[in-house]
Amino acid sequence: QVQLQESGPGLVKPSGTLSLTCAVSGVSISSHKWWAWVRQPPGKGLEYIGEMYHTGSSNCNPSLKSRVTISVDKSKNQFSLNLSSVTAADTAVYYCTTPNGFGFDPWGQGTLVTVSS
Amino acid sequence: QSALTQPASVSGSPGQSITISCTGTSSDVGAYNYVSWYQQHPGKAPKRIIYEVSNRPSGISNRFSGSKSGDTASLTISGLQAEDEADYYCSSYTTSVTYVFGTGTKVTVL
Repeated sequence: QVQLQESGPGLVKPSGTLSLTCAVSGVSISSHKWWAWVRQPPGKGLEYIGEMYHTGSSNCNPSLKSRVTISVDKSKNQFSLNLSSVTAADTAVYYCTTPNGFGFDPWGQGTLVTVSS
Repeated sequence: QSALTQPASVSGSPGQSITISCTGTSSDVGAYNYVSWYQQHPGKAPKRIIYEVSNRPSGISNRFSGSKSGDTASLTISGLQAEDEADYYCSSYTTSVTYVFGTGTKVTVL
């Protein structure tokens, strides 16, 4: 059974880079799966950020594409999100997840990242 | 890409049926049968309850059902129960090879 766990700083300064990692257990990250990030600003809806295949292919929300980097670390069985030039609008709970039958399942528990000086 | 449109709130009494709509375009909902639905309780991660328009994952109650017509997908909850009170989101794969979520619907059990 696939399990996902996010980790990373809970506070990032404006104009800085948000960096999160998702540890994958129960399956090899090199299995035939895509690995994705979704975020949810406080009190608001879900927003797809992007996804990556273990070979390096990736897709991204056009509105975030210029600031997003998703990478896979096969040696640690984890994948990561970097979001650059952050502002207060990037404050959100960030979830890692995986597309499964063109729907996201399972999900990590989520981690709140606040952008503030 | 614009978020799919859902009603902000839907309510019903225990035992009743409610339906939540999810309206997109010919580039997302209308393009593929790749609509999924998620239930989210406060402070919790979303939980997939429907995938590929109408399929229920193992362990999901058959009180949840999904359908699609054109650019609009729908989630029906029958025999409404107190535990169904939550936020619900739809999601669709798009012709841009990305995903888009709905605006979300708060379900209240009266």
